[in-house]
Amino acid sequence: QKEVEQNSGPLSVPEGAIASLNCTYSDRVSQSFFWYRQYSGKSPELIMSIYSNGDKEDGRFTAQLNKASQYVSLLIRDSQPSDSATYLCAVNNPNFGNEKLTFGTGTRLTIIP
Amino acid sequence: DAGITQSPRHKVTETGTPVTLRCHQTENHRYMYWYRQDPGHGLRLIHYSYGVKDTDKGEVSDGYSVSRSKTEDFLLTLESATSSQTSVYFCAIRGAGGVHYTDTQYFGPGTRLTVL
Repeated sequence: QKEVEQNSGPLSVPEGAIASLNCTYSDRVSQSFFWYRQYSGKSPELIMSIYSNGDKEDGRFTAQLNKASQYVSLLIRDSQPSDSATYLCAVNNPNFGNEKLTFGTGTRLTIIP
Repeated sequence: DAGITQSPRHKVTETGTPVTLRCHQTENHRYMYWYRQDPGHGLRLIHYSYGVKDTDKGEVSDGYSVSRSKTEDFLLTLESATSSQTSVYFCAIRGAGGVHYTDTQYFGPGTRLTVL
């Protein structure tokens, strides 16, 4: 079982709609969760971090964490063509505190104009 | 931008040759990381450093070595490059407060390495 799993996509969403990206993780004691966006040919850039159960909003982005079900999701409201990218979920490795992160393979998101 | 540069940005080399990639940071971050990114595998940790001369292995460390003689530089060496090491290599730092979150990793621009 992979430690961090994401649907590879591609996920196609019409412009203006809500894009929903999901991630599950295997280690129940993980405490820190991150979403990165990566444009083709570029490096990953941090979008959101979340540590507590519930929702965390930042502009058009909302991260949701459910530790009991071991999943974290990212919602993008009012999707724009510029949101087309690969989104990486990352989870801290609890054996190493926050020194190490484990990444999912990413979900490719395409926003259709 | 976490003040991270990588060099070279692109490199083509031949099987069996040694290759060294450099990661340079300007903000005195303690933790530095080397990842490789391949289709279908995502980002995988090669080695990381938690201080000058303090390094540890990641999940895909075979065939790679690292060195950190100064806080600002973290070198990744492929002792004898193989075609399976063709990849995009990213350096990252762990934020230490200020404008960077303390438990978050920030990435450099990457190095595309091709081993023929």
